[in-house]
Amino acid sequence: KNQVEQSPQSLIILEGKNCTLQCNYTVSPFSNLRWYKQDTGRGPVSLTIMTFSENTKSNGRYTATLDADTKQSSLHITASQLSDSASYICVVSDRGSTLGRLYFGRGTQLTVWP
Amino acid sequence: DAGVIQSPRHEVTEMGQEVTLRCKPISGHDYLFWYRQTMMRGLELLIYFNNNVPIDDSGMPEDRFSAKMPNASFSTLKIQPSEPRDSAVYFCASSLFLTSGRGETQYFGPGTRLLVL
Repeated sequence: KNQVEQSPQSLIILEGKNCTLQCNYTVSPFSNLRWYKQDTGRGPVSLTIMTFSENTKSNGRYTATLDADTKQSSLHITASQLSDSASYICVVSDRGSTLGRLYFGRGTQLTVWP
Repeated sequence: DAGVIQSPRHEVTEMGQEVTLRCKPISGHDYLFWYRQTMMRGLELLIYFNNNVPIDDSGMPEDRFSAKMPNASFSTLKIQPSEPRDSAVYFCASSLFLTSGRGETQYFGPGTRLLVL
């Protein structure tokens, strides 16, 4: 069964600290993996998109990694800021030539405290 | 560009009533997506369009749900009749195109918060 599992469900860290969010998937065949940030009451915003051949992608203080062999991805946030408080959603697509079917994780709720 | 525009932002209705959600994608984007988000199920893709044509509606939960895209700048998602379990946040998103194997950045609207009593 194609699934996307994210951990932890929620995380609280202090401002300035680093953190890493995990995404494990069983989707096959794999096409691409996306990380979204969703602020409370807002729509998701794309952070990164990675294909099979990419194992790391950065967007400012956000760095996503992908291990297609173990079917794991992580999102590392460096020097966290209060504005990083949000839900982070991992989405995996299962086909190459079109959008494919999308499989969504339930998200990790990150809270950054001052 | 104003981004993806959705209306209304909030909707409260009674069970059995018809609900119509509206979306204006970013100008020039060829793809339009409708999503639903609930606490129980998270984010789900309902349907998406390419050049105004529905491509995949396998995520549409029931026949009570229908979506149209009469032109490149407007889409609707209709629920008739509505039920309490339809209460959710409905997002519309658009993207420029889909590159083979890569996907493309989707830009989400602010969402419509629907409550069916």
